Amino acid sequence: KAGVTQTPRYLIKTRGQQVTLSCSPISGHRSVSWYQQTPGQGLQFLFEYFSETQRNKGNFPGRFSGRQFSNSRSEMNVSTLELGDSALYLCASSLQGQNNSPLHFGNGTRLTVT
Amino acid sequence: QQQVKQSPQSLIVQKGGISIINCAYENTAFDYFPWYQQFPGKGPALLIAIRPDVSEKKEGRFTISFNKSAKQFSLHIMDSQPGDSATYFCAASSPGGGADGLTFGKGTHLIIQP
Repeated sequence: KAGVTQTPRYLIKTRGQQVTLSCSPISGHRSVSWYQQTPGQGLQFLFEYFSETQRNKGNFPGRFSGRQFSNSRSEMNVSTLELGDSALYLCASSLQGQNNSPLHFGNGTRLTVT
Repeated sequence: QQQVKQSPQSLIVQKGGISIINCAYENTAFDYFPWYQQFPGKGPALLIAIRPDVSEKKEGRFTISFNKSAKQFSLHIMDSQPGDSATYFCAASSPGGGADGLTFGKGTHLIIQP
């Protein structure tokens, strides 16, 4: 079975721009979660989608948004980029949600904001 | 507020030795405690997980010890090998995930010396 696929792997953007990251979950997984990883803050939860509905949301500003499609693929959007948004963005999929079944992470998208 | 505190930040162990990483949590609603392993350039991968109804869980060389009253849990890696060199994260979540999703510790950078 193919793992979680995230595209692109690397992205360089300028302050004020917006960016869209993509995630394809493991086949059959209905839950997709997004995390931000930085050296200072570690891994922080952004949001979780299950069957196209946002189920949980972390403590991030409204500039961070996401959606899930009927095939469970998910996208994350960050608008009005700030320097502090530079991070590794990780997508993870699971069968039934992150408390009920194991999370399988992709290798992330490395976003650099200049 | 850091809800899961992980120590040590870094650890050097000789090949064949026992690696021990500790975590402490504050939220008594947490009921799921996984450990993740992350290699450079890769996303975290689930190693082993435990729920509070058991005090210990073993899978191969990896053991989780759980102390509910002390609100602590630890990862023991027996017969540590150079291939175990990676960053290890403990995590915790409450039923349904909630606004915090999986709450991760800050990570332990483990080096196994040959």
